[in-house]
Amino acid sequence: QKEVEQNSGPLSVPEGAIASLNCTYSDRGSQSFFWYRQYSGKSPELIMFIYSNGDKEDGRFTAQLNKASQYVSLLIRDSQPSDSATYLCAVNQGYNQGGKLIFGQGTELSVKP
Amino acid sequence: DGGITQSPKYLFRKEGQNVTLSCEQNLNHDAMYWYRQDPGQGLRLIYYSQIVNDFQKGDIAEGYSVSREKKESFPLTVTSAQKNPTAFYLCASSMRTDHNQPQHFGDGTRLSIL
Repeated sequence: QKEVEQNSGPLSVPEGAIASLNCTYSDRGSQSFFWYRQYSGKSPELIMFIYSNGDKEDGRFTAQLNKASQYVSLLIRDSQPSDSATYLCAVNQGYNQGGKLIFGQGTELSVKP
Repeated sequence: DGGITQSPKYLFRKEGQNVTLSCEQNLNHDAMYWYRQDPGQGLRLIYYSQIVNDFQKGDIAEGYSVSREKKESFPLTVTSAQKNPTAFYLCASSMRTDHNQPQHFGDGTRLSIL
């Protein structure tokens, strides 16, 4: 069974701090990795994706991928109360698997003013 | 505006009743997906379709059925065989099904038992 694991949290950080969200995956053949943000009662919203080892930055968000360790993380700099949400890590299984995403259970982030 | 439209937003099912959830996209995406989300859980794949007139079962297909007669539409029927249908149902689409294409989601349908 291919799995994606996240700490469920809640992760609480003060406003302005760096929030670090982590995700591990079991399938070494996984090729692409996505971070979605989901506000309570809403649908997931894509915020970052990464395909290659290393870091990818987009504004206050940085995704980090280490395929050897099967580990992907999301850093949120200068955290704001509006960042309070559940963050879902998703791993793509590739074309032969219909492009299916395997989701982690999500990490709840709370940013305190 | 381009996007994915799910309807209705809320749906109630009586015992023994089949209900159909609508999903329409005008993004010209090839692939479409249905997920189920239970409280405090991640998303689980029900069915997916890579092209018109073709679809495959996901991890939890029992008690559900789909059709893909048009590229834009991928309706999901929750049958009476699904004994625990209360959940948040999410439809997604992507341009292709290779690994580089992210999936984008509609606003979801909340299904409850009467």
